[in-house]
Amino acid sequence: ETGVTQSPTHLIKTRGQQVTLRCSSQSGHNTVSWYQQALGQGPQFIFQYYREEENGRGNFPPRFSGLQFPNYSSELNVNALELDDSALYLCASSLGLANEQFFGPGTRLTVL
Amino acid sequence: AQSVTQLGSHVSVSEGALVLLRCNYSSSVPPYLFWYVQYPNQGLQLLLKYTSAATLVKGINGFEAEFKKSETSFHLTKPSAHMSDAAEYFCAVSDEAGGTSYGKLTFGQGTILTVHP
Repeated sequence: ETGVTQSPTHLIKTRGQQVTLRCSSQSGHNTVSWYQQALGQGPQFIFQYYREEENGRGNFPPRFSGLQFPNYSSELNVNALELDDSALYLCASSLGLANEQFFGPGTRLTVL
Repeated sequence: AQSVTQLGSHVSVSEGALVLLRCNYSSSVPPYLFWYVQYPNQGLQLLLKYTSAATLVKGINGFEAEFKKSETSFHLTKPSAHMSDAAEYFCAVSDEAGGTSYGKLTFGQGTILTVHP
């Protein structure tokens, strides 16, 4: 059974650019949540997708957007990158809303 | 909104000593509570979870935590530390009213555990 995978592993962008991060959920999981973990901080909830629909959003601006595909993989898009967007972005998948989340290894984004 | 406070950003113990990592939560409804571990350059791994059943929860790798409603605490313990326990530990609370979802977690700031030989 393949776990949660994320791509790319590392990414360097400059201010103002746009970025897309990808997440493949664990086999059979229909729920994906995204978190931002700044250096030295705990993860912060960005949003969650359940069966291709957004199911809640944290305190992040609209330039953070997402998508979930029919195979339940997901993308996180960030427009107009700012220096403070530099962080580890974690994806977690689960089978439904009331089950354990399994986290991927994350994508390290650096904004220069 | 629910919140989590982890007391002590760094904890250092000797191998074989007791591990105690502190977590206090604020919640207006009975919460779901979690402890996760993060090794360098890796994602989060669930150690244990409290979902309003037994107040003493046993997890993986010999860790356990006790839910104390009167103290709004959910401290993580392990009787004897191993070198392999060195990592960062996060306490988290479910951000759903009534704690009906494991998603939308609110995390604490994390505690880095160092284990000395």
